[in-house]
Amino acid sequence: NAGVTQTPKFQVLKTGQSMTLQCAQDMNHNSMYWYRQDPGMGLRLIYYSASEGTTDKGEVPDGYNVSRLKKQNFLLGLESAAPSQTSVYFCASSYSTGDRKRNTEAFFGQGTRLTVV
Amino acid sequence: AQSVTQPDIHITVSEGASLELRCNYSYGATPYLFWYVQSPGQGLQLLLKYFSGDTLVQGIKGFEAEFKRSQSSFNLRKPSVHWSDAAEYFCAVGAGGSQGNLIFGKGTKLSVKP
Repeated sequence: NAGVTQTPKFQVLKTGQSMTLQCAQDMNHNSMYWYRQDPGMGLRLIYYSASEGTTDKGEVPDGYNVSRLKKQNFLLGLESAAPSQTSVYFCASSYSTGDRKRNTEAFFGQGTRLTVV
Repeated sequence: AQSVTQPDIHITVSEGASLELRCNYSYGATPYLFWYVQSPGQGLQLLLKYFSGDTLVQGIKGFEAEFKRSQSSFNLRKPSVHWSDAAEYFCAVGAGGSQGNLIFGKGTKLSVKP
């Protein structure tokens, strides 16, 4: 059971380059998330998607875009990479509903370590 | 707005000693609360969660946590720490509704002395 799979695991970009981080989940979860993790900052939400075709901004969305065309995939794009986007990126998924009794915990991928030089 | 505070950035305990990691949250309703653990270079693994009911919850790897509404706390405990417990620990609160996203504390790094 793969769970949440992120590709690539490592990436080095030059300032101004673009790239897409890919995330796939095989748990049929409706909600997916992108977080970034920086030392001493915990995990901060970049974007989330409550269902296929819908996305919403999180705490730190500037410089990023996302796409949720299929339920199992959530893509994070960097249009013009900046050194401030050097970070570890985590994708997560969960089954979330308005019914508090049915919400479940988030499952995380292994992370993508991105360096922008 | 919801928030999570982990007051201790770094804690060192001796192997076999007891452990308590602190977590305080700010949330308007009954929160969903979680503890995750992250080993170096790895993703996050769920240790335990609280949705409702019994305020003392048991998790994996011998961890437990107690929800105290009056103190807005959800502290993580383990009676006897093992060297393999060295990792970073994150407390998180669920944002609620249909969104399901988590708000994380900044983490507590646990070191274990032999």
